[in-house]
Amino acid sequence: EVQLVESGGDLIQPGGSLRLSCAASGFTVSSNFMTWVRQAPGKGLEWVSIIYTGGSTNYADSVKGRFTVSRDNSKNTLYLQMNRLRAEDTAVYYCATIQGSRYYMDVWGKGTTVTVSS
Amino acid sequence: DIQMTQSPSSLSASVGDRVTITCRASQTISTYLNWYQQKPGTAPKVLIYAASSLQTGVPSKFSGSGSGTDFTLTISSLQPEDFATYYCQQSYSTPWTFGQGTKVEIK
Repeated sequence: EVQLVESGGDLIQPGGSLRLSCAASGFTVSSNFMTWVRQAPGKGLEWVSIIYTGGSTNYADSVKGRFTVSRDNSKNTLYLQMNRLRAEDTAVYYCATIQGSRYYMDVWGKGTTVTVSS
Repeated sequence: DIQMTQSPSSLSASVGDRVTITCRASQTISTYLNWYQQKPGTAPKVLIYAASSLQTGVPSKFSGSGSGTDFTLTISSLQPEDFATYYCQQSYSTPWTFGQGTKVEIK
């Protein structure tokens, strides 16, 4: 069964750093495009980042220069390194696989909660 | 960035009603348009991809149409399990963007 499990969410002070993990099972992370999406409390969905099979990455303007997406092929795990965190980064963070020639988000994890507050 | 505008933002409907949600892109996106359903406290679930393709396992009461800038999601006969928030999302160019969501509530 294809499954994604996020972890690493926490309460963190503004300016701090956090690394989220997304452990995959049932498929190979490096063989798929993978993405992070977040949802602030009571708000809609916001795309955060993507990592392509070749390893190139892309980011939303709101996180560019602060967040870094990566993967560890030996652990079959996706990561999101988040630096210089702001209150507006408070959200549930989901990882998801991307499928198809039109790039849709297929399998999602249950999410992990990041709260940025002093 | 491509802006996605959904309408309405919310709607009240009865079981058995036909419901249509529209999504407009600020520039042409061909058929790089996906629809997701999200229920409270859970992750989104893809319903329709590439504007009109039904994801495996999704009931045929859901359908999508459109290309270019205007798209629709239709639920042919609303059932209790369909009360949720629906989002469109463009994957034509990064940054990928979502519509603001349409909350479908019970009348």
